[in-house]
Amino acid sequence: EPEVTQTPSHQVTQMGQEVILRCVPISNHLYFYWYRQILGQKVEFLVSFYNNEISEKSEIFDDQFSVERPDGSNFTLKIRSTKLEDSAMYFCASSTLAGPNNEQFFGPGTRLTVL
Amino acid sequence: RKEVEQDPGPFNVPEGATVAFNCTYSNSASQSFFWYRQDCRKEPKLLMSVYSSGNEDGRFTAQLNRASQYISLLIRDSKLSDSATYLCVVNIMIYNQGGKLIFGQGTELSVKP
Repeated sequence: EPEVTQTPSHQVTQMGQEVILRCVPISNHLYFYWYRQILGQKVEFLVSFYNNEISEKSEIFDDQFSVERPDGSNFTLKIRSTKLEDSAMYFCASSTLAGPNNEQFFGPGTRLTVL
Repeated sequence: RKEVEQDPGPFNVPEGATVAFNCTYSNSASQSFFWYRQDCRKEPKLLMSVYSSGNEDGRFTAQLNRASQYISLLIRDSKLSDSATYLCVVNIMIYNQGGKLIFGQGTELSVKP
């Protein structure tokens, strides 16, 4: 069964450093997303991406964040200058449809720890 | 008011019990509805979509009431493997370019032998 993959599984970084989280969505999917989950809190939407551009972003997704699809398979989330409060689990998701039955499938996540 | 609100839990039930989860949502623009389950420190996994007519998948039954903006999940004959956090999720469409999922806080279920 096709699945979303993410690397690395765990990233530890110093405050102020840049990190890039990588995702390989399901191959025939066209819509890509990033979500995050701070420990003990709910999953929160960050950004959606379609046709090589951002469709929507949340208030969390400020100028420190960017996304890119550098080739036909990878989808990345970059945090330019990490803060302590960026520590969270980051989930990539993808979907094939734009309609009401837009079922999104999640990768296993990258746990980001900012020290 | 929270966009998606669930029973806080935890629910501790014996094997074989029937358990019901409730959820309300505030955004009337919500267009599709799902239940996901999340095991500890893992990704959310789609359990089932929820349709207005109600739908069933084995031991799981989901109901949606758009008028009252209410979603439910019923698990019959619960198994130890059902222990997880159950996430109520609504989808807000984005200009026909996919949709963003809005998650509830989740309700933890623990099924005991």
